[in-house]
Amino acid sequence: QQPVQSPQAVILREGEDAVINCSSSKALYSVHWYRQKHGEAPVFLMILLKGGEQKGHEKISASFNEKKQQSSLYLTASQLSYSGTYFCGTETIGGSNYKLTFGKGTLLTVNP
Amino acid sequence: NAGVTQTPKFQVLKTGQSMTLQCAQDMNHNSMYWYRQDPGMGLRLIYYSASEGTTDKGEVPNGYNVSRLNKREFSLRLESAAPSQTSVYFCASRQRVGNEQFFGPGTRLTVL
Repeated sequence: QQPVQSPQAVILREGEDAVINCSSSKALYSVHWYRQKHGEAPVFLMILLKGGEQKGHEKISASFNEKKQQSSLYLTASQLSYSGTYFCGTETIGGSNYKLTFGKGTLLTVNP
Repeated sequence: NAGVTQTPKFQVLKTGQSMTLQCAQDMNHNSMYWYRQDPGMGLRLIYYSASEGTTDKGEVPNGYNVSRLNKREFSLRLESAAPSQTSVYFCASRQRVGNEQFFGPGTRLTVL
């Protein structure tokens, strides 16, 4: 089952902040975040694991609420290069942990 | 180090034709994945291979078959292409559960 992302789209001016949310109805082992620019492949940003471990780029900030099965990606002091579609992917506990299920994405546009 | 490579980059088929999309990775990853991406739908998992010698269905497997030829290569076959299979196809790989996925550049397939 696909995780639900919100908002679907957001428009910012350079320097503004944004939060993208991801929620699941199932118990999660991990949440992944990827960014995709138009016509390109998704690129890894961060993984948040059950138990608190995080792996990813230093400039990216995210949280994982294990009780609520929710994750948020925080984009602060946005730059033009942040524009793109952001996807969360989830791995669930109890099912096949080898597959990552992605949400439908959040389109972020940063304007000068 | 090429990462994940896919061939072809573009393909146009007529309804009923067959073709195989090729994917290879040189990172010695255990798991490999095939996704399709349609506007507004995010990345949907077609098939995956948790390890060499195993394959499993994802969310949208109908009309597709896969082969994990060896640890490096994972191919996706369309036996009788339909217009509904017009999409961008991404192959991905990763070492293990909880690790990041690396995506190939994608194959843009049009079925007329």
